[in-house]
Amino acid sequence: EAGVTQFPSHSVIEKGQTVTLRCDPISGHDNLYWYRRVMGKEIKFLLHFVKESKQDESGMPNNRFLAERTGGTYSTLKVQPAELEDSGVYFCASTQNLEDTIYFGEGSWLTVV
Amino acid sequence: QQQVKQSPQSLIVQKGGISIINCAYENTAFDYFPWYQQFPGKGPALLIAIRPDVSEKKEGRFTISFNKSAKQFSLHIMDSQPGDSATYFCAAQEGGSGSARQLTFGSGTQLTVLP
Repeated sequence: EAGVTQFPSHSVIEKGQTVTLRCDPISGHDNLYWYRRVMGKEIKFLLHFVKESKQDESGMPNNRFLAERTGGTYSTLKVQPAELEDSGVYFCASTQNLEDTIYFGEGSWLTVV
Repeated sequence: QQQVKQSPQSLIVQKGGISIINCAYENTAFDYFPWYQQFPGKGPALLIAIRPDVSEKKEGRFTISFNKSAKQFSLHIMDSQPGDSATYFCAAQEGGSGSARQLTFGSGTQLTVLP
């Protein structure tokens, strides 16, 4: 069974540009999370989808970040326009039920120059 | 404000030694405490987890010790091996109905086990 897959694995963009990160959760997992780790700090929660609905987006840093999960399958996280402080690794995670183990993808490494 | 504080930031241990990583939390609504292991280029993977109704959980060489009154928990790796070299994150989940069960992570510990 495929795990959580993320694309791209690495991205280098200039300040002011737009980047879209994609996450494919494990098949059948209704719960999808986005997290990020910046500057070697702790991994922080961004938002949580249940199917296509945003259940909790309290961790989204500002309105430059937009997450979608059309059809309740894959999800995208768009950063527009990107700023230097957005550099870091963005993790996607999924779980079937809220009481189950949360499985993480390998992350999308974003560098904004 | 960091809700889960983790120490040390880095740890070097000789092969066969014991690695100990500590975490402390403030939010008494946390009811699940997992540890994640992350190798370079990979995502965090669940290593072991504990709920606050027990004080210790052991799986192979990995043990979690939990002190509810002190709001602290720690990971002990016995007989540490070079293959254990990775970044370890403690985390906590808040319970209760309606909770998204998102994880609150510590800042991570870079463990290096010398051969």
